[in-house]
Amino acid sequence: DAKTTQPNSMESNEEEPVHLPCNHSTISGTDYIHWYRQLPSQGPEYVIHGLTSNVNNRMASLAIAEDRKSSTLILHRATLRDAAVYYCIPRTGTASKLTFGTGTRLQVTL
Amino acid sequence: GAGVSQSPRYKVAKRGQDVALRCDPISGHVSLFWYQQALGQGPEFLTYFQNEAQLDKSGLPSDRFFAERPEGSVSTLKIQRTQQEDSAVYLCASSLAFRLAGNKGEQFFGPGTRLTVL
Repeated sequence: DAKTTQPNSMESNEEEPVHLPCNHSTISGTDYIHWYRQLPSQGPEYVIHGLTSNVNNRMASLAIAEDRKSSTLILHRATLRDAAVYYCIPRTGTASKLTFGTGTRLQVTL
Repeated sequence: GAGVSQSPRYKVAKRGQDVALRCDPISGHVSLFWYQQALGQGPEFLTYFQNEAQLDKSGLPSDRFFAERPEGSVSTLKIQRTQQEDSAVYLCASSLAFRLAGNKGEQFFGPGTRLTVL
């Protein structure tokens, strides 16, 4: 599995954009980059995933570097409900296990 | 709609006791995963089922851990002779068949069972 590096924690003010970085320099050419988040006392939930192109959905945007060695999850307007641990996960195929690291704990303040 | 459910939500066991943790996946989901999450850590993979077949059990930490999914739906994770190091949150996740067109492989997680071994 590709190794990932994420900051342990980040802070954001409510209503402001948040950029959560992830380095995955050993990612293979066929691995998708998945992001999950885990709210307090809940199981993880899917946020977004992509391969090469930038991706958008209702929750977030994913910006993938041209060399695919890093990616950034973008929350356009953070809310208090976005306070969670965010995990970046390179993944081979759609049936495989998820290999979580320690993730980034995002704190959102008023 | 109904998501993944797990029971019990909390379990306290004395060291040496056997425990059984239940997972009810989303109806129709072929794949089922178990993960273990220690305090302050990310979840770690334990085992994977496709229908009733256990295709990967490489993450089970010892032979005290056993999982089954006999009818391809509900799954049970059993831990025999529990030890203090087994204290963790046990998460279950399910997903659609991987060959289904358009399937992005999203795993849907339950709330977990918090096991405390005294």
